[in-house]
Amino acid sequence: DAGVTQSPTHLIKTRGQQVTLRCSPISGHKSVSWYQQVLGQGPQFIFQYYEKEERGRGNFPDRFSARQFPNYSSELNVNALLLGDSALYLCASSGGPAVPYNEQFFGPGTRLTVL
Amino acid sequence: QQQVKQSPQSLIVQKGGISIINCAYENTAFDYFPWYQQFPGKGPALLIAIRPDVSEKKEGRFTISFNKSAKQFSLHIMDSQPGDSATYFCAATYSGGYQKVTFGTGTKLQVIP
Repeated sequence: DAGVTQSPTHLIKTRGQQVTLRCSPISGHKSVSWYQQVLGQGPQFIFQYYEKEERGRGNFPDRFSARQFPNYSSELNVNALLLGDSALYLCASSGGPAVPYNEQFFGPGTRLTVL
Repeated sequence: QQQVKQSPQSLIVQKGGISIINCAYENTAFDYFPWYQQFPGKGPALLIAIRPDVSEKKEGRFTISFNKSAKQFSLHIMDSQPGDSATYFCAATYSGGYQKVTFGTGTKLQVIP
């Protein structure tokens, strides 16, 4: 089975621009979560979506938004990019059958560089 | 507010030695404690996880020890190998509400031959 897929792999933007990151969860998983990982730190929770509804939001500004589609894929949008938004953006998939507790499976991430 | 504290920040171990990483949490509502392994340029991969009703869990060379009263847990890597060189994150989450995983700050492990 394919794992979590994310696109694009790398992205370079300039300050003030907008960016859209995409994620496809593992087949059968209904939940997608987004995390931001700044170099040298642990991932920080941004959003969780389950069955197309936002279930949780981390401590991130309103410039960050997301949505989940009927096929359970998801997009993360970041507006008015700042230099500090440069990070690895991770998508995690969960909510599949027989998946214990809150076991989440991470994709390879999208490396965003803001110049 | 950091809810999961992890130490050490970095660790160098000889091949064949034991690597030990420690974590402490604050929120007693956490009821699932996974460890993730991350190689450069990759996403975190689930390594092993434990629930608070179990004091120890072993999978191959990897063992989690859990002390619920002290709110501490640790990862032991036995017979450490150069291929184990990676960054390790402890984490915590809970069954109620949404599935936010709170990560520690990470430990960069280097296993030298």
